[in-house]
Amino acid sequence: QVHLVQSGAEVKKPGASVKVSCKASGYTFTAYYMHWVRQAPGQGLEWMGWTNPPNGDTNYAQKFQGRVTMTRDTSISTAYMELSKLRSDDTAVYFCARLSYDSSGYYSGLDVWGQGTTVTVSS
Amino acid sequence: DIVLTQSPGTLSLSPGERATLSCRASQSVTISYLAWYQKKPGQAPRLLIFGASRRATGIPDRFSGSGSGTDFTLTISRLEPEDFAVYYCQQYGSSVPTFGQGTKVEIK
Repeated sequence: QVHLVQSGAEVKKPGASVKVSCKASGYTFTAYYMHWVRQAPGQGLEWMGWTNPPNGDTNYAQKFQGRVTMTRDTSISTAYMELSKLRSDDTAVYFCARLSYDSSGYYSGLDVWGQGTTVTVSS
Repeated sequence: DIVLTQSPGTLSLSPGERATLSCRASQSVTISYLAWYQKKPGQAPRLLIFGASRRATGIPDRFSGSGSGTDFTLTISRLEPEDFAVYYCQQYGSSVPTFGQGTKVEIK
């Protein structure tokens, strides 16, 4: 079975950094882009960026440029999202999700999601 | 960036009724790379539709998607109790994927 398992909840102070991990199992980790999405309390889904596991290429939403770093460790099939200079409005649930594709190479949406990691930023 | 505008914001319906959700893009969505997700509190989003009209694995056929270019629709033919949730559209054809703001389908 295909799974993405994320690290546990974090509580951070303003100005600190947080690093969330996302361990993949049941599929070839390097064959799929990994996206990161967050949801603040009472708000909608917000796309943060992606990483391409085979080469480490990344693409970040402009809003997070300079504060976010997405990496991966292919030896343990794990993706990471680090967000720095945390503010109270970074309090959210952070999700990793796999971008799937079909046999023709046609992208078919974010089909597998992690369970979410709650990050609370509070002084 | 492509802005997705969903309407209505909230849909109040009874079980068994038909739900029609709209998603309008500020510019044409590449190769109909448009997906719909269902989101319930405390759960991860669930992929329903990709490529504007293709059902994801295991999704019941009461869910259907249509549209192209800038106008897309998610239809739930007969609402089941478990379908009351928030629904998001997402375009993933540009270098900057974006989500709509969501439509809440609530029990009337």
